[in-house]
Amino acid sequence: GEDVEQSLFLSVREGDSSVINCTYTDSSSTYLYWYKQEPGAGLQLLTYIFSNMDMKQDQRLTVLLNKKDKHLSLRIADTQTGDSAIYFCAESGAGNNRKLIWGLGTSLAVNP
Amino acid sequence: DAGVIQSPRHEVTEMGQEVTLRCKPISGHDYLFWYRQTMMRGLELLIYFNNNVPIDDSGMPEDRFSAKMPNASFSTLKIQPSEPRDSAVYFCASSSTGGFSTDTQYFGPGTRLTVL
Repeated sequence: GEDVEQSLFLSVREGDSSVINCTYTDSSSTYLYWYKQEPGAGLQLLTYIFSNMDMKQDQRLTVLLNKKDKHLSLRIADTQTGDSAIYFCAESGAGNNRKLIWGLGTSLAVNP
Repeated sequence: DAGVIQSPRHEVTEMGQEVTLRCKPISGHDYLFWYRQTMMRGLELLIYFNNNVPIDDSGMPEDRFSAKMPNASFSTLKIQPSEPRDSAVYFCASSSTGGFSTDTQYFGPGTRLTVL
């Protein structure tokens, strides 16, 4: 079945780059997403990538997609303490049912 | 737009009581999702609607849970009777198929439910 996996924790120093990884199983996914959840808040769309793209860059964020290995990564350059949050990877569900298949989230801790 | 609105933000109740969570999706969105988030199980999809019609309720834990969407701008998730294991954060999200759209879902701030 459809599944999305992420490592649960990542700790980096302020100013370093963070790389959060995700693997997924559904090769027919049209879009893959990264959401951010700050403490006590809902999930907020950070960025997404269309499945026919290899890379997408948006300011400090770089998304890399390896369709062959079904691997998605999110790189945050110059990580700041305000980037401390839980990052969720998600893929479009099979068919056109608008469901998203979610990972468990990676908790990013940025140390000053 | 104000985004997805949920109420209440916090709810504390006693076991056996009825709990009703409310959601107002973004205007014009035709999909609405109810999720539950816990530390142990992560983010679980409970049910979702398209044009006010329930499409998939396979994630609803048991008969104690019910959801309705009487119109395009309002949905409720009801738990009756509530149990301590229902304690979680409940999120509502909406999305749109209009125009050029992805499957992006927009989340509300959540309702933190504590059942004593």
